[in-house]
Amino acid sequence: KAGVTQTPRYLIKTRGQQVTLSCSPISGHRSVSWYQQTPGQGLQFLFEYFSETQRNKGNFPGRFSGRQFSNSRSEMNVSTLELGDSALYLCASTSGLYGYTFGSGTRLTVV
Amino acid sequence: GQQLNQSPQSMFIQEGEDVSMNCTSSSIFNTWLWYKQEPGEGPVLLIALYKAGELTSNGRLTAQFGITRKDSFLNISASIPSDVGIYFCAGPLRDSNYQLIWGAGTKLIIKP
Repeated sequence: KAGVTQTPRYLIKTRGQQVTLSCSPISGHRSVSWYQQTPGQGLQFLFEYFSETQRNKGNFPGRFSGRQFSNSRSEMNVSTLELGDSALYLCASTSGLYGYTFGSGTRLTVV
Repeated sequence: GQQLNQSPQSMFIQEGEDVSMNCTSSSIFNTWLWYKQEPGEGPVLLIALYKAGELTSNGRLTAQFGITRKDSFLNISASIPSDVGIYFCAGPLRDSNYQLIWGAGTKLIIKP
């Protein structure tokens, strides 16, 4: 079966712009989580959605937001981009508690 | 708050050597997860541990859930070039069934 698909793979944006990243989970998985990964900081939890509802949110500013659609696909949005937002953004889906399957990520570079 | 301390930060090893890495916390965990991430890809789950003292293997990989519930260990026997990557430990955040916290990773490099 198809894995978790994240688009785009790479993105370059300018400071102050906004960006939307997309994640299509494994078919049948209703939980989608987003993480930010930067060198030296590891994976930092952004938020988790289940059945279109945000169940958990990490300690990120309000510029980071997300949503989930009825088909479980999820998007995350970052407004007013800052240089420090440059990172690999990972999406993971699961049908159970901890059996997360990750996508390959979107590499965002803010210049 | 809860934190996972992973060590070593990186390891340079010869092919064929055994590798050991660990993850510790000042908090108790009920589940320990070990993931591997290769360049350009997302992390892949290697082993999940659910019970204190549990020892679980996946091929040449063996992981243990520490009896204090505050640590976990991952061993790789007879390393091969494809073992290169970053190994992460992770565990569920207290009071949350759906949020994981992660160690900073152990980068495994094979000496030529």
